[in-house]
Amino acid sequence: DTAVSQTPKYLVTQMGNDKSIKCEQNLGHDTMYWYKQDSKKFLKIMFSYNNKELIINETVPNRFSPKSPDKAHLNLHINSLELGDSAVYFCASRGLAGDTQYFGPGTRLTVL
Amino acid sequence: QKEVEQDPGPLSVPEGAIVSLNCTYSNSAFQYFMWYRQYSRKGPELLMYTYSSGNKEDGRFTAQVDKSSKYISLFIRDSQPSDSATYLCAIHSGGYQKVTFGTGTKLQVIP
Repeated sequence: DTAVSQTPKYLVTQMGNDKSIKCEQNLGHDTMYWYKQDSKKFLKIMFSYNNKELIINETVPNRFSPKSPDKAHLNLHINSLELGDSAVYFCASRGLAGDTQYFGPGTRLTVL
Repeated sequence: QKEVEQDPGPLSVPEGAIVSLNCTYSNSAFQYFMWYRQYSRKGPELLMYTYSSGNKEDGRFTAQVDKSSKYISLFIRDSQPSDSATYLCAIHSGGYQKVTFGTGTKLQVIP
């Protein structure tokens, strides 16, 4: 059973489109994250939710809107996609007891 | 100054070598130190997790934290081709504070 899953795995789209990426974790964790990893492998946090509440919001354009319908899900909606949004987006979750994060397999977004 | 500095490599070693991967950090408030391994086109997976200073060993892997120097290391003994991956250090000050990652060091172990 996959602990943290993301869909889709690959996303190719045109500039200006709106797209969503979904994330689900079955670990019972309270905290979930979205990270962006660029072509140089730098992993940068975008958002964090704890029990459906936004707790970290890094300097991210407001075209990116996270939504957490429940604590097992954290989705990322991106409006008006730009070329610079091309990257791999990782979802992660973290439990209460520890400070370790578990990552999903990533969604490779390509904006043409 | 970046919060976490890590040499991006690439680092190539022969099979069986001892590998040393390092990171430095700037904020003395960081208490939690982690190493992640990321294979190509996969998500990062946790390798080692250390709280505060000291050493931690797990099989062929040893993590070291020197808080006085703000320096963390990961040693891999008897390196194997399957260890070829990008290794990311990560640091955290606890609670709901964000985890800050290094840029990753790409390691290649040559058979």
